[in-house]
Amino acid sequence: KQEVTQIPAALSVPEGENLVLNCSFTDSAIYNLQWFRQDPGKGLTSLLLIQSSQREQTSGRLNASLDKSSGRSTLYIAASQPGDSATYLCAVGRNRDDKIIFGKGTRLHILP
Amino acid sequence: DTAVSQTPKYLVTQMGNDKSIKCEQNLGHDTMYWYKQDSKKFLKIMFSYNNKELIINETVPNRFSPKSPDKAHLNLHINSLELGDSAVYFCASSPRTSQETQYFGPGTRLLVL
Repeated sequence: KQEVTQIPAALSVPEGENLVLNCSFTDSAIYNLQWFRQDPGKGLTSLLLIQSSQREQTSGRLNASLDKSSGRSTLYIAASQPGDSATYLCAVGRNRDDKIIFGKGTRLHILP
Repeated sequence: DTAVSQTPKYLVTQMGNDKSIKCEQNLGHDTMYWYKQDSKKFLKIMFSYNNKELIINETVPNRFSPKSPDKAHLNLHINSLELGDSAVYFCASSPRTSQETQYFGPGTRLLVL
């Protein structure tokens, strides 16, 4: 059974700092991993998608890495801004049935 | 121009009622999904459809019945609502398969009293 864990559950950092969010998964038989952002009362917005054959993806101040063999991914946010405050969700696509399994998210608060 | 839209945004109803939630995507995608996000914010897939055909049907009570009249629409009908059905329901779509980026709707907040 695929389980996705995100640590920490919540994080507060001062504006301008670089930070790392962690995601781990128990079954390495995945086809991709996605990072999403969810703002309060809103839907999810896809940030980065890493295929299983890739090691990382970058978009602006965001960089996501994937180490499939160890079952880990990180989302690096550079020069954090108050607008980055949101919940960040990690999701893995499971090979055997195409289902996407979500973690419970990390609630990020950037302090002005 | 909303890519994935859901109606209603809020739904408050009594236990035992039947209700429907509608979803439409104007992205030309082939695959659509319904997810449930519970009070602990845990997001879990319920159904997925590809070109109007059911692909994924998780262990969901049969009181929940999805219907896809065409590939741009995926509606969710819920019979005999229970207190435990209270949650936020998200619709999503992806171009062809679930192996691609999914685009989410804004969610429907259902409260069963």
